[in-house]
Amino acid sequence: SQQGEEDPQALSIQEGENATMNCSYKTSINNLQWYRQNSGRGLVHLILIRSNEREKHSGRLRVTLDTSKKSSSLLITASRAADTASYFCAPTSGTYKYIFGTGTRLKVLA
Amino acid sequence: DGGITQSPKYLFRKEGQNVTLSCEQNLNHDAMYWYRQDPGQGLRLIYYSQIVNDFQKGDIAEGYSVSREKKESFPLTVTSAQKNPTAFYLCASSRAGVNEQFFGPGTRLTVL
Repeated sequence: SQQGEEDPQALSIQEGENATMNCSYKTSINNLQWYRQNSGRGLVHLILIRSNEREKHSGRLRVTLDTSKKSSSLLITASRAADTASYFCAPTSGTYKYIFGTGTRLKVLA
Repeated sequence: DGGITQSPKYLFRKEGQNVTLSCEQNLNHDAMYWYRQDPGQGLRLIYYSQIVNDFQKGDIAEGYSVSREKKESFPLTVTSAQKNPTAFYLCASSRAGVNEQFFGPGTRLTVL
């Protein structure tokens, strides 16, 4: 198992702006997932990108993966106040067990 | 509706008492997990189970115990041996061979 490390730890933007957060990891992966956690709630799966994919879109979300740099980024376009949450990445290497990092705390100001 | 439920939402315990947190899923998932989250922190894996009647320790299993007698249920017992049990506990499940995890709403445990 391995841990993804999110960067930055905290991010504040105005509504309508784009938000970008990054994830780095240490060893080879099968796929990488992004999750969102609203305050005091469980995590919600956002998107999964496989190791042979470079970019994936889902609504206002765009995820990129660079396996040579062992990094991924999550872009949220046209952010809304409802996007305020913590975002976690989970790099996985084929096992059931993986470790979530401390996340990026995003605050979208109305 | 399919989903994963945890109960209770809030739980208070006196020091020295054992307490059991409930986790139930009707998603027909084989794998289930328990995580602990402390304020401003990420999730740490306590226990996980890939199939009924089998489970493995995660990174912080000391002071916790689990059982997996039914596919739908994966209760977590926080024992008196857990030195600092006050935390937010999250249960999750996933299909066999698929990494996407579905999370419950969590139980916030406070030791008085």
